[in-house]
This record gives sequence, C-alpha cells and structure tokens, in this order.
Amino acid sequence: DTGVSQNPRHKITKRGQNVTFRCDPISEHNRLYWYRQTLGQGPEFLTYFQNEAQLEKSRLLSDRFSAERPKGSFSTLEIQRTEQGDSAMYLCASTTSPYEQYFGPGTRLTVT
Amino acid sequence: GQSLEQPSEVTAVEGAIVQINCTYQTSGFYGLSWYQQHDGGAPTFLSYNALDGLEETGRFSSFLSRSDSYGYLLLQELQMKDSASYFCARGPEGNEKLTFGTGTRLTIIP
Repeated sequence: DTGVSQNPRHKITKRGQNVTFRCDPISEHNRLYWYRQTLGQGPEFLTYFQNEAQLEKSRLLSDRFSAERPKGSFSTLEIQRTEQGDSAMYLCASTTSPYEQYFGPGTRLTVT
Repeated sequence: GQSLEQPSEVTAVEGAIVQINCTYQTSGFYGLSWYQQHDGGAPTFLSYNALDGLEETGRFSSFLSRSDSYGYLLLQELQMKDSASYFCARGPEGNEKLTFGTGTRLTIIP
C-alpha cells in the first residue's frame, strides 16, 4: 500500500492522559499536514511540515499539542493532558503540491 | 476572514446533474479545491481552480469566478456512489495551508 497510513485507527483514553498518533506519508512527499475533524465539519488545519521543518501551527493548537517530523519522514502528534473537547478525528495528509493533498484514514480519538 | 459557505445538504436523482456552490471571502484568496469524503472515509482530492473558468475531470467539473468570490462543483450522470460529503477549500495560502468549508452532504436517490 503506497498511501498515507495512520496509527492507531482508534484510541479511547481517559481525560488527563497523554496520547500519541503516528502518520506515515507517501514516501516522496515532502509536505505533511495534520488536521482535526469533528462530526459535520470540514477538516481544520492544525500544523504543517515541509521536510522536517514545522512551518505553521494553528492558533487553535494549544501548548498541550505538539508535533514532530524527525528526518522528514513519519510524523507524530502528541496531545498531553487530554480533555473531552479533544475528541475528534485526527487526519494526516501529505503532498508535493499543497492544493492536492492525500489524506490518511485518520485516528479517531475518544476522551472519556 | 477565511470562511467558506456551502449548502449543508443537497439531494439529487441518480443519472441527473447537481451543482454544489461555494462562496468565500476574498482576503488573501489564492485558489479553490474540492474534496469528496464518504462516511467513515478520508477526504479525497477532486479538483483545483486557480484561475477563472471551468476545469473538467470526467463526470466532475469545477468552476471559479474570482470577481464573484464564488465557485461550484458540478457532478454529471450521478451514481449512487456519489453520495458523500463535498468540501470546498481555499488555498493554498502563502503558508500553504488549506481552509475547508463546512461541507455539503449530497444524497443520491434512485
């Protein structure tokens, strides 16, 4: 499979716990994006990498959220001290051309 | 502002044509993309317009009018599998991010 993959696909956690998600982009793609999507809404931009450099971070992303892309390959998104409002689908996308993004299947986070 | 407006729901008949509209605020506008998302699935890219006019890709076409701050997605020869949510997205902005609309849920009926 040469598409974007994300792990885990589902995560249930208790409020206050830390969670980490992984995204493996399409190998030749230098750009990697993280989005959050809640029911009935469009994907909401969180952060963006070009190679290993994090170039943009949404104002919506509190300091509980951190993302990395070591060596410009896979990326991780960590949420510390999760809150119920963090429950959402977390989508990763990769591309060589910003307007045509290839999305992974997402990680659905449920905070209880 | 960066918001985009789309109708929340549209219903159309199998075999017919449907148009999904998108209006946007002009500040910093660069181009308009369209994505399809089936329930439980990931968004998939359909089309992109950076210039005014019509872009055609098989049964799907997308149109942009910068002077009217307006675009639409046109789906022809509708099939049941076209039932999905459709999102317009503006960008990439200078920082290369996309801003998505709230989406239009398209239901195809026999």
